[in-house]
Amino acid sequence: EVQLVESGGGLVQPGGSLRLSCAASGFTFSSYWMHWVRQAPGKGLVWVSRINSDGSSTSYADSVKGRFTISRDNAKNTLYLQMNSLRAEDTAVYYCAREYGETNFDYWGQGTLVTVSS
Amino acid sequence: QSALTQPASVSGSPGQSITISCTGTSSDVGSYNLVSWYQQHPGKAPKLMIYEGSKRPSGVSNRFSGSKSGNTASLTISGLQAEDEADYYCCSYAGSSTFYVVFGGGTKLTVL
Repeated sequence: EVQLVESGGGLVQPGGSLRLSCAASGFTFSSYWMHWVRQAPGKGLVWVSRINSDGSSTSYADSVKGRFTISRDNAKNTLYLQMNSLRAEDTAVYYCAREYGETNFDYWGQGTLVTVSS
Repeated sequence: QSALTQPASVSGSPGQSITISCTGTSSDVGSYNLVSWYQQHPGKAPKLMIYEGSKRPSGVSNRFSGSKSGNTASLTISGLQAEDEADYYCCSYAGSSTFYVVFGGGTKLTVL
């Protein structure tokens, strides 16, 4: 059974940093592109970042470029999102998602809440 | 890149059919057959319902169907059931020189 389990969310002050993790199991993690998608409270889904299967290529939404870094450890079956210079508008539930085919997200984690507030 | 445009809400009675539209541009929906649709119940993670415009993942009811015309994609749900009440999001690849993905703002489906 495919499972994605996020962790690392919490309350952080504006300007602070946080690292999210997504532990994958039930599939060959190293064969799949992975993504982070976020959802602000009561709002819609917003794509954040993606990484290819071996970690050599990454992409970011304009709103997080230069502040967030996506990475992966295929030996540990884990996806990461390093978030720096956090802003109030980064407050959201962050989901990791597996890509199937081209930009189809077939499995999602349960999400981890990040709250940026003083 | 701007978010795709969806109606904020749609409603229908059990057994009826409804259609949710998703309007983009020639840079996203209109250029690629890479529109997907997600169902999200309150407090839950999204679920893939349609991918690559009209394909259904294994396990998704054939009451769900997808289509596209020009810059607008559509999700149709036939034979509405109470459990279909949820938020629905469209999504499209939007990259040209760089990888990019955009979602729609979401549509709240109410089953009357």
